[in-house]
Amino acid sequence: GENVEQHPSTLSVQEGDSAVIKCTYSDSASNYFPWYKQELGKRPQLIIDIRSNVGEKKDQRIAVTLNKTAKHFSLHITETQPEDSAVYFCAAMESGGGADGLTFGKGTHLIIQP
Amino acid sequence: DVKVTQSSRYLVKRTGEKVFLECVQDMDHENMFWYRQDPGLGLRLIYFSYDVKMKEKGDIPEGYSVSREKKERFSLILESASTNQTSMYLCASSLYPPYEQYFGPGTRLTVT
Repeated sequence: GENVEQHPSTLSVQEGDSAVIKCTYSDSASNYFPWYKQELGKRPQLIIDIRSNVGEKKDQRIAVTLNKTAKHFSLHITETQPEDSAVYFCAAMESGGGADGLTFGKGTHLIIQP
Repeated sequence: DVKVTQSSRYLVKRTGEKVFLECVQDMDHENMFWYRQDPGLGLRLIYFSYDVKMKEKGDIPEGYSVSREKKERFSLILESASTNQTSMYLCASSLYPPYEQYFGPGTRLTVT
């Protein structure tokens, strides 16, 4: 089955700086890579996703890059703000080949220092 | 607005009890999922379903079963609860093919 590794487990950055979270996956058949944000005491919510037919996707201050050859993908947050403080999860799955669930990384606790 | 609801936010059960966790979604989604979330382990897939009466094992199905008799409802069953099943349980739903998964608020289950 799929295995997703996520680093770092904790990331502390100064407000206004950029944050980068990295994930690797093991199954070359995986083709859908979402990122979820979970604020304290709340449910995970999708913030951005990417499919394997593109290498990069951007939505305002958030971007995701995908390197299929190396089997890794990254989340980039620019101009970080206090409300970016949360736990971020990457995930991977093979979509289109039948129903399946997501395999999540263990999460990154992002702390924005004022 | 998609709404995924779970029957309880907090639940305390005794070892050996049969436990039912229920999840309901109101967006006619084909796919429904059960995950458990533990500190340092992320979210792990227990079971999922892509249609009524259909179910598939996830990564950690041992000690659990599921039921999907209606499209909007997906139940997780702990046949004989054990202390190592103390966890946060999250239900999710999505359209098919896999799009965004919408999560419920979670049920924090404590087994004593």
